[in-house]
Amino acid sequence: AQKVTQAQTEISVVEKEDVTLDCVYETRDTTYYLFWYKQPPSGELVFLIRRNSFDEQNEISGRYSWNFQKSTSSFNFTITASQVVDSAVYFCALRLIQGAQKLVFGQGTRLTINP
Amino acid sequence: DSGVTQTPKHLITATGQRVTLRCSPRSGDLSVYWYQQSLDQGLQFLIQYYNGEERAKGNILERFSAQQFPDLHSELNLSSLELGDSALYFCASSVEGYTEAFFGQGTRLTVV
Repeated sequence: AQKVTQAQTEISVVEKEDVTLDCVYETRDTTYYLFWYKQPPSGELVFLIRRNSFDEQNEISGRYSWNFQKSTSSFNFTITASQVVDSAVYFCALRLIQGAQKLVFGQGTRLTINP
Repeated sequence: DSGVTQTPKHLITATGQRVTLRCSPRSGDLSVYWYQQSLDQGLQFLIQYYNGEERAKGNILERFSAQQFPDLHSELNLSSLELGDSALYFCASSVEGYTEAFFGQGTRLTVV
């Protein structure tokens, strides 16, 4: 079975600080996708990024960056120079490439950016 | 806007009742997924349909059922509702199984 752990339940930082959200996953499969989703206070789930298990290149998109390390089964998400609009619950998720196509989500990290 | 439309946005109903949640996927998406988000269970996969056929089942109760119609919209039927069924129900869609899923805004169900 697959499992995703987001050990940080809540994080609170001051605007402009950098913040890293941790994600650790478990699976016996060698091919899988990893995702990050954002859930702002309005409630919808917004897709942020997908990574393949065979592509360990780090990804940067504006103030967002993702560090995928297969050796430690981690897929961490960093927000640089955080802004109040980044306040949301962030979910890490895993899906196998073969077999069941369901997303297995972590419990989420509630990020609060204070002005 | 993800392109996935869910109706209604809010639903309040009494225990023992039956409700139907509706989802219109993004244009061209053949796969539809249903998820339940509750405080104690988090985000849980319920069921997936692909082009009208059930593809995968997760932690879906027997009181719950779903279907996908020829026009690809999907409905999730919840019956004999209990207080514990109160949750946010999401629909998601994808072009095929191996791509990212885009989520609707959810239907917040409150059972009183």
